Amino acid sequence: QVHLVESGGGVVQPGRSLRLSCVASGFTFSSYAMHWVRQAPGKGLEWVAFISYDGNNNYYADSVKGRFTISRDNSKNTLFLQMNSLTTEDTAVYFCAREEPAAGFDSWGQGALVTVSS
Amino acid sequence: SYEVTQPPSVSVSPGQTARITCSGDALPKKYAYWYQQKSGLAPVLVIYEDGKRPSGIPERYSGSSSGTMATLTISGAQVEDEADYYCYSTDTSGNQRVFGGGTKLTVL
Repeated sequence: QVHLVESGGGVVQPGRSLRLSCVASGFTFSSYAMHWVRQAPGKGLEWVAFISYDGNNNYYADSVKGRFTISRDNSKNTLFLQMNSLTTEDTAVYFCAREEPAAGFDSWGQGALVTVSS
Repeated sequence: SYEVTQPPSVSVSPGQTARITCSGDALPKKYAYWYQQKSGLAPVLVIYEDGKRPSGIPERYSGSSSGTMATLTISGAQVEDEADYYCYSTDTSGNQRVFGGGTKLTVL
């Protein structure tokens, strides 16, 4: 059974950094592309970042480009999101999601809440 | 940046057909995917590649795409189908992914 568990969320001041982790189990992590998707309170889903199965390719939403970095450690079945220069607009629940080829995001974590506030 | 557009809300009576649209310039070349989200829980995939249904999703859910518009259809909508529905797709390069703003489906 596929299981994705995010951690690392919390309250952080504007301008500071935070790193999220997503531990995967129940499948061959190194075979799948992964994404981060976020949802601000009361708002819709926003795609944040993509990383290929081997970590060699990544893409970002314009809203986070240059501030966020997606990475992965396939030896530890873990996905990361390094978030720098945070602003209040980055306040959201952050989900990690597995991309099944030709089938979209078929598995999601429960989400990690990031609150950016002074 | 690329965008796909959905209506903010759709309302139907139980047993009626609900249709939620998603428009985007790249949809003639890129697939649309549809996600259901209830009460802040993690989203659930209900349609992929325009019109394919994952296992476990009721047959009343279907999808189609024509030109710059994709459509999610729920035939004989039930109260338990009340949720937010999101369209997802990519730009023509395939690198920029995007969700629509979401459509709140009310069945009452």
